[in-house]
Amino acid sequence: EAGVAQSPRYKIIEKRQSVAFWCNPISGHATLYWYQQILGQGPKLLIQFQNNGVVDDSQLPKDRFSAERLKGVDSTLKIQPAKLEDSAVYLCASNRLRDARSEYFGPGTRLTVL
Amino acid sequence: TQLLEQSPQFLSIQEGENLTVYCNSSSVFSSLQWYRQEPGEGPVLLVTVVTGGEVKKLKRLTFQFGDARKDSSLHITAAQPGDTGLYLCAGGPHKTGANSKLTFGKGITLSVRP
Repeated sequence: EAGVAQSPRYKIIEKRQSVAFWCNPISGHATLYWYQQILGQGPKLLIQFQNNGVVDDSQLPKDRFSAERLKGVDSTLKIQPAKLEDSAVYLCASNRLRDARSEYFGPGTRLTVL
Repeated sequence: TQLLEQSPQFLSIQEGENLTVYCNSSSVFSSLQWYRQEPGEGPVLLVTVVTGGEVKKLKRLTFQFGDARKDSSLHITAAQPGDTGLYLCAGGPHKTGANSKLTFGKGITLSVRP
């Protein structure tokens, strides 16, 4: 079974620029999550999708971050414009069921904002 | 807000030593997961515990969920350099029907020296 795929793996941009990350979850997984992991911290949930609907985006900075999962499979996370404090690893994870107790993570995208 | 405190934050030991690390909270969790994350990779699930007092073993790793489902411990016997990584605990929601959002601790950085 293929795992969660993410691209790009690394991205370096200057502040105020835009960036987008892509995630392809495990086939058949209805629930998809985007997490932000700052160096030395645990992952922080940004947004949770159930199929193509948003379940929880309470911690998503909506003035600059946006995410979509139009067909209920792949998802993109965008930051526009980026700030220095957005430097982090962005992790995508998926679950087969909404109330499953564990998540399968992708390798992450390491973003550096200069 | 449910918080998970992990301790110690950093641990450096010699190959062959035993160690125990902790994950504590004032909140009750329906389940608790332990993940290991290696540099440049996403977290990988090690174990899920759901019953108060439950003990699970995974080769040289022993996981225990507290009787009150507020805390957990991870014991590693005869640590090896391959055990090096960031150990994250994550708690599942207590209330039935709540979103499957996990609350992550900040993690424990373990280094095992050959």
